[in-house]
Amino acid sequence: GIQVEQSPPDLILQEGANSTLRCNFSDSVNNLQWFHQNPWGQLINLFYIPSGTKQNGRLSATTVATERYSLLYISSSQTTDSGVYFCAVEVAGGGADGLTFGKGTHLIIQP
Amino acid sequence: NAGVTQTPKFQVLKTGQSMTLQCAQDMNHEYMSWYRQDPGMGLRLIHYSVGAGITDQGEVPNGYNVSRSTTEDFPLRLLSAAPSQTSVYFCASSWARSGTSGPQETQYFGPGTRLLVL
Repeated sequence: GIQVEQSPPDLILQEGANSTLRCNFSDSVNNLQWFHQNPWGQLINLFYIPSGTKQNGRLSATTVATERYSLLYISSSQTTDSGVYFCAVEVAGGGADGLTFGKGTHLIIQP
Repeated sequence: NAGVTQTPKFQVLKTGQSMTLQCAQDMNHEYMSWYRQDPGMGLRLIHYSVGAGITDQGEVPNGYNVSRSTTEDFPLRLLSAAPSQTSVYFCASSWARSGTSGPQETQYFGPGTRLLVL
């Protein structure tokens, strides 16, 4: 099946810092999503971005489908950004029609 | 709207017991799915459904059954619980992407059910 690798696995930053999270995937995809799991376990959909660039406030994401990677940018980090960020993809052309998740990047924003 | 609800929030079972994890959504979504989350493993797809009466297997279906008799409900059944099924279980729903049987871009997750099998 498709492999989804996220880096870095862990990241500790001070409030106000910027960060870039990366997601590499091993096959063509027709669905790529970024999720945030907060410290209470709730999963929130951030972006649906199988290609191109999107922005939502301090967060933005870029997917280069031809090179099989996606980046999530967080600017001016706040403590509420802490949690685990997951990249999830759906392989193009068949197989189980659901999302394959990476193992996540655990982000801690210190005040 | 309540969104996606899951019950129970927490459950302890003994090996060999059976139980049903409930999932309901009030957004009239076609696509519903179950994932399990284990430490260091991310989320893995167990089963999914693209509408009432239609279900299919995901990456890790063994030991679990599902049914979809209504649009709103998608219960997950553990037939004979094993310690390897200790995990956090998430249900999700979304519209189905047109022309496919996959989830559309905005997926809504329930709060999860923590299951411990002794």
